[in-house]
Amino acid sequence: GENVEQHPSTLSVQEGDSAVIKCTYSDSASNYFPWYKQELGKGPQLIIDIRSNVGEKKDQRIAVTLNKTAKHFSLHITETQPEDSAVYFCAASIRGGYQKVTFGTGTKLQVIP
Amino acid sequence: GAVVSQHPSRVICKSGTSVKIECRSLDFQATTMFWYRQFPKKSLMLMATSNEGSKATYEQGVEKDKFLINHASLTLSTLTVTSAHPEDSSFYICSARGDRRNYGYTFGSGTRLTVV
Repeated sequence: GENVEQHPSTLSVQEGDSAVIKCTYSDSASNYFPWYKQELGKGPQLIIDIRSNVGEKKDQRIAVTLNKTAKHFSLHITETQPEDSAVYFCAASIRGGYQKVTFGTGTKLQVIP
Repeated sequence: GAVVSQHPSRVICKSGTSVKIECRSLDFQATTMFWYRQFPKKSLMLMATSNEGSKATYEQGVEKDKFLINHASLTLSTLTVTSAHPEDSSFYICSARGDRRNYGYTFGSGTRLTVV
């Protein structure tokens, strides 16, 4: 089955700096890669996703890149703000049917004011 | 956007009793719902996948007689923790998937279960 690894497990940045979280996946059939933000005591919220037919996607301060050959994908947050502090999970899934999502182990991001 | 409502958000129950958690898709038809368990500071662990009108598919190591899942309609799935024990205390989260053309999965807000 799919295996998703995520690094780093914790990340502290100064407000205004950029944060980068990296993930790798094992199943070359995976073609959908969402990123979730989870605040304490709440369910994960989708913040951005990318499909395998594109290499990069951007939404304001958040961007995701995908390297299918290397099976790497990354989340980039620019101009970080204290409210970006949360746990971020990457995930991988296969298009079609009722495929399940495999999650990474999570990154706790702390933005220091 | 897609909204999934999960209820209750918190529940405390006595050992040996059963607890039901509901997951509803409010503005879309959820053909598939997923139930996860999350331990403190850990990732989400998939427990089971349920498709409307059929039996749930449980992940290896998850007791189907203990964690009963019912997906009777396209907008409602329930997870019942039977004969709860303190080790069942955890954060349970559902997610729902609708239109096949949208690969997104929408999560509920989670249920904190404490068994005393």
